[in-house]
Order: sequence, then C-alpha cells, then structure tokens
Amino acid sequence: GAGVSQSPSNKVTEKGKDVELRCDPISGHTALYWYRQSLGQGLEFLIYFQGNSAPDKSGLPSDRFSAERTGGSVSTLTIQRTQQEDSAVYLCASSLGESKIYGYTFGSGTRLTVV
Amino acid sequence: RKEVEQDPGPFNVPEGATVAFNCTYSNSASQSFFWYRQDCRKEPKLLMSVYSSGNEDGRFTAQLNRASQYISLLIRDSKLSDSATYLCVAANTGNQFYFGTGTSLTVIP
Repeated sequence: GAGVSQSPSNKVTEKGKDVELRCDPISGHTALYWYRQSLGQGLEFLIYFQGNSAPDKSGLPSDRFSAERTGGSVSTLTIQRTQQEDSAVYLCASSLGESKIYGYTFGSGTRLTVV
Repeated sequence: RKEVEQDPGPFNVPEGATVAFNCTYSNSASQSFFWYRQDCRKEPKLLMSVYSSGNEDGRFTAQLNRASQYISLLIRDSKLSDSATYLCVAANTGNQFYFGTGTSLTVIP
C-alpha cells in the first residue's frame, strides 16, 4: 500500500480482555517496529522485526505483550489480560532495511482505551 | 538518564519569527539523527535527517554537534502551519530509534 496501515484506529476494551492490533507495512519494507505513546509522553519502543524474526523485543513491558509477523509483511501485537495502564496510542512503523539512513514511516496508530 | 532529552516548551512565537530547538543525546555511539514533526493526535512524520555537516531544507536547518552531543533545529520565517510538536531522534548501532518527548511550538498570528 501507499503507507503504513493500522487497524483498528480506535479500540475500547474492558480490563482483563485480550486485544489484537494489526499493522500492514509499506510494501517492500523489511523492517517493522512497534512503539506506544501515552498521553504527554514520548514514544516507547516495544519490538522490532526484520523480516519475520524479532531480533529486539526488549521493549515489551511484560509477558502479557507479544507480537508476530508473518510473510515478512503484516504484524499483529497482542495484549493479553489488558490493564488500564495499557491505554495508549500504539504506533507501527516500517522502513527499508537501513532505517538509520531513511528513517521510519509511521502508521496513524491504534488508540487503545482500557476501561 | 533518558537517551534523548528535549526542552518540552511550549514555545509561542509570532509569525515570521525565527525559533530554535535543541536536544541532547546520551549515547556517544549514536549514529544517525532525525527531526520528526507530530501534529495533535496524529502520527509522527519525518521532517528531516541531521547530517554531521549540517543541512538545510527550505526554512529548516538542522545541526549536529558530536562533541557536545546535541542536535538543533532552526526554523526561519515561522508559519502558522509550523505549529506542532517537534521530536528529536537518535539511532544507535542497532535499528532502534530513541525519541525525545518533543518540543511544542505554537506560531501566533
């Protein structure tokens, strides 16, 4: 596609439920990143994929968070047993292999609200 | 200590003014630097890369000072449409980018 596509754009869920967030990167971008941004806070790194593998998942805040990527394309971020502190905007970004040269392109994010 | 630190502002400047933002980074091994712009409730968008020799894109000039570990963004002849939050970014030897918390700019008519 023309840009990074994320769905849903908004998600309201009850505490304790599981949620899945989807990211469809720019076609041909091998690197994919998940960040989250809480109100008034900076972007917090969650996980990075190169192809289907995740060489850096150091930012996942707990074992309730997991992510996968299939076919070197679409990625899903799953949050199990959601908590109120999980409320944030979850941003996906993709880049050509050398992100240090080209930078990231972000999707418009999924705004997650846990009530 | 945060990887990247910025003055959150807010900066309120009149149209036509020149405004400068600085940010510092803590990892001397950081290799690449960027400025992103983020409008309210929108995703960050790449504004410009920052090169060692400094670089300019229209009214925007970015500078890197490796010795002091800071980068800067200068905006000349500010427009109302420049109102946004500006995020400073440092990339280390891996692929992870470290974002500052952003500097808020409002350009006033």
